[in-house]
Amino acid sequence: GENVEQHPSTLSVQEGDSAVIKCTYSDSASNYFPWYKQELGKRPQLIIDIRSNVGEKKDQRIAVTLNKTAKHFSLHITETQPEDSAVYFCAASGDKIIFGKGTRLHILP
Amino acid sequence: DTGVSQDPRHKITKRGQNVTFRCDPISEHNRLYWYRQTLGQGPEFLTYFQNEAQLEKSRLLSDRFSAERPKGSFSTLEIQRTEQGDSAMYLCASSFRTSFNEQFFGPGTRLTVL
Repeated sequence: GENVEQHPSTLSVQEGDSAVIKCTYSDSASNYFPWYKQELGKRPQLIIDIRSNVGEKKDQRIAVTLNKTAKHFSLHITETQPEDSAVYFCAASGDKIIFGKGTRLHILP
Repeated sequence: DTGVSQDPRHKITKRGQNVTFRCDPISEHNRLYWYRQTLGQGPEFLTYFQNEAQLEKSRLLSDRFSAERPKGSFSTLEIQRTEQGDSAMYLCASSFRTSFNEQFFGPGTRLTVL
């Protein structure tokens, strides 16, 4: 069945350094890859997404890359700040969204 | 607030009772999704509607779960004979069906089954 694998499950980086989260997906029909940030007790919030006809997208300190051939996509956060601490979910979507299990990102002072 | 809304935000019930949750999507969105999220996990797909038609149900959705979207606007999710394992956050999301499927989430209903 459809599956999204996400790594690492926990990531600690020094404030100001970069963080990278990687995902793979199994369903070749997936054409849309959103990334969500979820803070404790709150709903998932879309932070960036990438569509299958694009290889890379950047929005200020956040960038996503997509390799459709390898079925890999990644989230890159540069110049990390304390408010980046949260759980991040990758997802792959055709008609429905399949989420990864999440990465808990800790930004260390 | 023109976002997705859910009611109630919290529900505590005893095992064996029935519960019903409501989701109001963004008004122009024709797709509505239900997910379940347990602590430390990503949201798990349960079911989705396009307008009033229920197009897909996950294997996770046992016979005790039923969802409706009678007029293609709000949706209800009912759980009959609740079990402790049903305790979770139930999230609703909506989208406008295009070639790509950007979904917006509601705040969720946290269910605790005692």
